[in-house]
Amino acid sequence: SQKIEQNSEALNIQEGKTATLTCNYTNYSPAYLQWYRQDPGRGPVFLLLIRENEKEKRKERLKVTFDTTLKQSLFHITASQPADSATYLCALDHNGNKLVFGAGTILRVKS
Amino acid sequence: KAGVTQTPRYLIKTRGQQVTLSCSPISGHRSVSWYQQTPGQGLQFLFEYFSETQRNKGNFPGRFSGRQFSNSRSEMNVSTLELGDSALYLCASTSLAGAYNEQFFGPGTRLTVL
Repeated sequence: SQKIEQNSEALNIQEGKTATLTCNYTNYSPAYLQWYRQDPGRGPVFLLLIRENEKEKRKERLKVTFDTTLKQSLFHITASQPADSATYLCALDHNGNKLVFGAGTILRVKS
Repeated sequence: KAGVTQTPRYLIKTRGQQVTLSCSPISGHRSVSWYQQTPGQGLQFLFEYFSETQRNKGNFPGRFSGRQFSNSRSEMNVSTLELGDSALYLCASTSLAGAYNEQFFGPGTRLTVL
């Protein structure tokens, strides 16, 4: 069956450290993978998009990797801050027609 | 540019009733997608409209329907509400159709079915 799995447990890290979030997928062949941030009571906000032929993408303190062999994407936030605390969702395209989202990982950054 | 707007923000209905939710996309965006978000199932795709045509549909019963108007505004309707329809309903707009583009989400409509 098709699955997208993100860290089911919340990730608690200390301010200034690097947060690494994982997104694994099964029985999908995405051409694109996206990451979103969602704060409580709000809609998701787009962060980064990476294509299947790209190994890595960066944007300020954010970095995403995409390994189609491992069927995995890693999302890194360097020098994390309490304001980075949120739920992070990965999403991949299903045959280019729709976005399928993972359940999300809650990140808590403590000062 | 104004963001995606959704109305109403909160709604309480009882079982068996029907509800209509509205979404206004970002100006110039012609694609509107609808999602249902629940704690148990996460974000699930309902359908996508582009230029007034439904392009894609998720795995939801026929009680869930939608439409898009010539100005790209979209509505979704849920008939014969069930308790399990309680959720945050999100719409997202993009300039192009398909899943290859970043989605701009609205704040959502919180529907509670009693």
